[in-house]
Amino acid sequence: ETGVTQTPRHLVMGMTNKKSLKCEQHLGHNAMYWYKQSAKKPLELMFVYSLEERVENNSVPSRFSPECPNSSHLFLHLHTLQPEDSALYLCASSQEAWRETQYFGPGTRLLVL
Amino acid sequence: AQSVTQPDIHITVSEGASLELRCNYSYGATPYLFWYVQSPGQGLQLLLKYFSGDTLVQGIKGFEAEFKRSQSSFNLRKPSVHWSDAAEYFCAVGARSYNNNDMRFGAGTRLTVKP
Repeated sequence: ETGVTQTPRHLVMGMTNKKSLKCEQHLGHNAMYWYKQSAKKPLELMFVYSLEERVENNSVPSRFSPECPNSSHLFLHLHTLQPEDSALYLCASSQEAWRETQYFGPGTRLLVL
Repeated sequence: AQSVTQPDIHITVSEGASLELRCNYSYGATPYLFWYVQSPGQGLQLLLKYFSGDTLVQGIKGFEAEFKRSQSSFNLRKPSVHWSDAAEYFCAVGARSYNNNDMRFGAGTRLTVKP
């Protein structure tokens, strides 16, 4: 398998649930990103990891908790979400952070009830 | 404040017609500029990027973009649109300086192609 993969592709959860989104990249990249894409809003950068260390956290609520155990895997742990957190969550990777081309996964469509 | 603006939310063009999608940015640092395309149910795919050098850059699928520093613009163009170009297009601006690492995306322009 090549590129950036994300699982699950669709997720429905209640506000009291705990779930995790998974991202895996097979490109040998050193940087990975989480983005949130909501309807009619610009893509929002949530977290950036470079060489498995978090280098950016754009004031994301603590109910979103990222984890990067190695350079190929990135998780987004979710707990006590709100309905307004429903969105498409995109993972991306790049060779180095920031200036390099980012390769995106297909996203996880999340619905919070 | 740093920002990226795509003034057109939705554009409709006929197949074979030319296309220009607008992007304006406001950035304090030297920007890196990107155009991405997103088809329904897919992630974003890079069309082209500008870091430095020639201000007219060529991308995939016959797209090109021109960086105009004086106008703070990075408009995307294609001379003849194909039906398969129907998608959402995002302009993005990245910046890296000693005190600022950032990446901002525009809100996107949805392209519809008429037969």
